[in-house]
Amino acid sequence: KNEVEQSPQNLTAQEGEFITINCSYSVGISALHWLQQHPGGGIVSLFMLSSGKKKHGRLIATINIQEKHSSLHITASHPRDSAVYICAVVASGSRLTFGEGTQLTVNP
Amino acid sequence: DAGVIQSPRHEVTEMGQEVTLRCKPISGHNSLFWYRQTMMRGLELLIYFNNNVPIDDSGMPEDRFSAKMPNASFSTLKIQPSEPRDSAVYFCASSHTSGSGANVLTFGAGSRLTVL
Repeated sequence: KNEVEQSPQNLTAQEGEFITINCSYSVGISALHWLQQHPGGGIVSLFMLSSGKKKHGRLIATINIQEKHSSLHITASHPRDSAVYICAVVASGSRLTFGEGTQLTVNP
Repeated sequence: DAGVIQSPRHEVTEMGQEVTLRCKPISGHNSLFWYRQTMMRGLELLIYFNNNVPIDDSGMPEDRFSAKMPNASFSTLKIQPSEPRDSAVYFCASSHTSGSGANVLTFGAGSRLTVL
């Protein structure tokens, strides 16, 4: 069992839909990152969380430390949101352990 | 700021050749990370530095891989000799780490390595 598990692995949505991507982890962490990787390969850090909730534009990230679970929500999804979304946790030091990613496709 | 700058963006080389990947972190960031991404294994941490000192190199696959950070503005990842299984995208990332913990990571665009 991976230390970081994401669901779903693949997600297809229609433009405008509300999207949720989930991340569960099995170790104690000091922080959790949500990353976005576009088809061109570049990786962008969306959020770093250690508790509660953060919002940036149409993106919302939440974390429940007790339940070892985080969610990434996208409101009013758009085709340009199509990307791979990766959850990564900081378990010791600054070492990141990555989930396998969720491939999101938003159709117009 | 131009962000994290990696070079080369693409490299194709033959098995046995030495490969050197370069990274310039964001000015003021004190932590630098080298990651490798493959289809089979996803993203993996190879090594990270804090204040130019290697902190965790347990992800370095074997002795063929070495990384240096001679100063706060430059790091190299070297593979010698290279093998076809080293083909991957290598990402460098930097952040500012303080006593209260790490901040958001900024990734470079990656160096796509193909070893024939």
